[in-house]
Amino acid sequence: GQNIDQPTEMTATEGAIVQINCTYQTSGFNGLFWYQQHAGEAPTFLSYNVLDGLEEKGRFSSFLSRSKGYSYLLLKELQMKDSASYLCAVRDPRSNYQLIWGAGTKLIIKP
Amino acid sequence: KAGVTQTPRYLIKTRGQQVTLSCSPISGHRSVSWYQQTPGQGLQFLFEYFSETQRNKGNFPGRFSGRQFSNSRSEMNVSTLELGDSALYLCASSLLSRGEETQYFGPGTRLLVL
Repeated sequence: GQNIDQPTEMTATEGAIVQINCTYQTSGFNGLFWYQQHAGEAPTFLSYNVLDGLEEKGRFSSFLSRSKGYSYLLLKELQMKDSASYLCAVRDPRSNYQLIWGAGTKLIIKP
Repeated sequence: KAGVTQTPRYLIKTRGQQVTLSCSPISGHRSVSWYQQTPGQGLQFLFEYFSETQRNKGNFPGRFSGRQFSNSRSEMNVSTLELGDSALYLCASSLLSRGEETQYFGPGTRLLVL
């Protein structure tokens, strides 16, 4: 079946680095997305990976290993505004390209 | 370019009533997806429309239905509302529905069923 796993909640300190993991088991794979969602707001796009390796975008980086069904989002120099939920989603071409979503990881940043 | 818009933003209904939510995608986008989000739950996929055709459907009862118009605007209808239907309903649009095509979300409609 389709399954995407993320930790439910993580806590980190302002200025530090945090890694949010995502593992997936889907019938097909056509890319993995990371979204950020602040409480009460809509999700906003962070990154897209379709090939193995690390993609860096400023303070945020995303890594993908297709053979392991694994991705992580790395956040550096954490700021209080990074407190949000982070959602991982996989596009599955065998499910008519539907996006399969994880439940999200709530990240709490402490001063 | 204007973003995805959803109306209304907030809605209060009572059990047994029906509700219609509206979504206008980003200009030029042809794919519209609907999601339900409740506290502690991830995004639960409802359905996706592309060029007025339902392309994908999630595991929701038949009380949940939708449609898409020729201008790509989409509506979602929930009949015979239940307390458990209280949620944030999000609409997302994308140019196509392949590969790296990113879904852009609207602000959502927060529905409360009493």
